[in-house]
Amino acid sequence: GQQLNQSPQSMFIQEGEDVSMNCTSSSIFNTWLWYKQDPGEGPVLLIALYKAGELTSNGRLTAQFGITRKDSFLNISASIPSDVGIYFCAGQLYGNKLVFGAGTILRVKS
Amino acid sequence: EAGVAQSPRYKIIEKRQSVAFWCNPISGHATLYWYQQILGQGPKLLIQFQNNGVVDDSQLPKDRFSAERLKGVDSTLKIQPAKLEDSAVYLCASSFRGPGEQFFGPGTRLTVL
Repeated sequence: GQQLNQSPQSMFIQEGEDVSMNCTSSSIFNTWLWYKQDPGEGPVLLIALYKAGELTSNGRLTAQFGITRKDSFLNISASIPSDVGIYFCAGQLYGNKLVFGAGTILRVKS
Repeated sequence: EAGVAQSPRYKIIEKRQSVAFWCNPISGHATLYWYQQILGQGPKLLIQFQNNGVVDDSQLPKDRFSAERLKGVDSTLKIQPAKLEDSAVYLCASSFRGPGEQFFGPGTRLTVL
């Protein structure tokens, strides 16, 4: 079945740093979604991408849909403490179900 | 706009007992999903409804799990009997049409002892 490899698995950041994470697949997708999940809550949609090569921003977040349609990247600029959480990528091919990655855990160095 | 509502938020049961979860999607959303999220993993789709019909239940363990969406609005997911490995967060999500931008509820954390 389709699998998404999300990296890094976890990362520590200093407040103010930029953060990058990515998601790769052996299969192509026509939609990429990025979600953030806080402890005890459901995932919240951050950015949706629908076209290969698309670059979309939402505040300090920027995500790109890879040209090969097999990967996507999420960048967070000037991180703040509330960015802590788990970030999930999800891919979808046409009307098929969403496939989620295992998540990237973001922690802030104190 | 109200989000996806789920109840209960937490449930602790013993193995072989039964449990049911309830979900009310965002108003006007035709598609409803139930996911299972095991600790340290991403959500895994259990079942997808379009209005009150099942679109995809290929990963639903049908010997013990069942779900319904009788009037095409709210939905219940039942586990009977529960096993230890069913301990997870059960997430409900909805979308306006099909897959794509899905909006999740807060989840129900199930612990099976």
